[in-house]
Amino acid sequence: GAVVSQHPSWVICKSGTSVKIECRSLDFQATTMFWYRQFPKQSLMLMATSNEGSKATYEQGVEKDKFLINHASLTLSTLTVTSAHPEDSSFYICSAPSAGGSNEQFFGPGTRLTVL
Amino acid sequence: QQQVKQSPQSLIVQKGGISIINCAYENTAFDYFPWYQQFPGKGPALLIAIRPDVSEKKEGRFTISFNKSAKQFSLHIMDSQPGDSATYFCAASMGTSGSRLTFGEGTQLTVNP
Repeated sequence: GAVVSQHPSWVICKSGTSVKIECRSLDFQATTMFWYRQFPKQSLMLMATSNEGSKATYEQGVEKDKFLINHASLTLSTLTVTSAHPEDSSFYICSAPSAGGSNEQFFGPGTRLTVL
Repeated sequence: QQQVKQSPQSLIVQKGGISIINCAYENTAFDYFPWYQQFPGKGPALLIAIRPDVSEKKEGRFTISFNKSAKQFSLHIMDSQPGDSATYFCAASMGTSGSRLTFGEGTQLTVNP
């Protein structure tokens, strides 16, 4: 199957700083990527849909100025958590849909963000 | 509004037993129903998926049963193994490729040796 990578796999930062998380589709192109946040023992919550060449679409309740998304190319989307606070500590996961026309989505390994 | 309901929240089975996880959906426009397996600290991985034109799909020890009229689908894990211990999520999406997934709440499965 197709591979989606994320970098970094984990990051610890101080409150008030910004953190950038990269999501790459390694062997296929993705005009759309999805960003999720997952708290311990909870389900995946869709934060936003990243669209190559246009603005991201944010889910209700997600602050677009705090979670900046840039879909720079057909294989790279980035999520920047600006002015991070301890409540932003979570597991962030991206996914990219199959390029083959099916509904299958491929998930990255996730990034563990801890804000001190 | 949560559109996919999953149960049970947690499940404990003995090695060799059958694990059954159920999901129910509301939106009749959903036409793709995948199951994902997630280990701690990892991203979800697709296990098996089904479309509403079939009532059952089997891949190895994993089977999806689908009841379109009841708007329900379930995952059966036969001969459950300790290595199957993970969190399982059902999901649903609609329409064309690239559509967003709506996830169930998840089921924490523990298979005792």
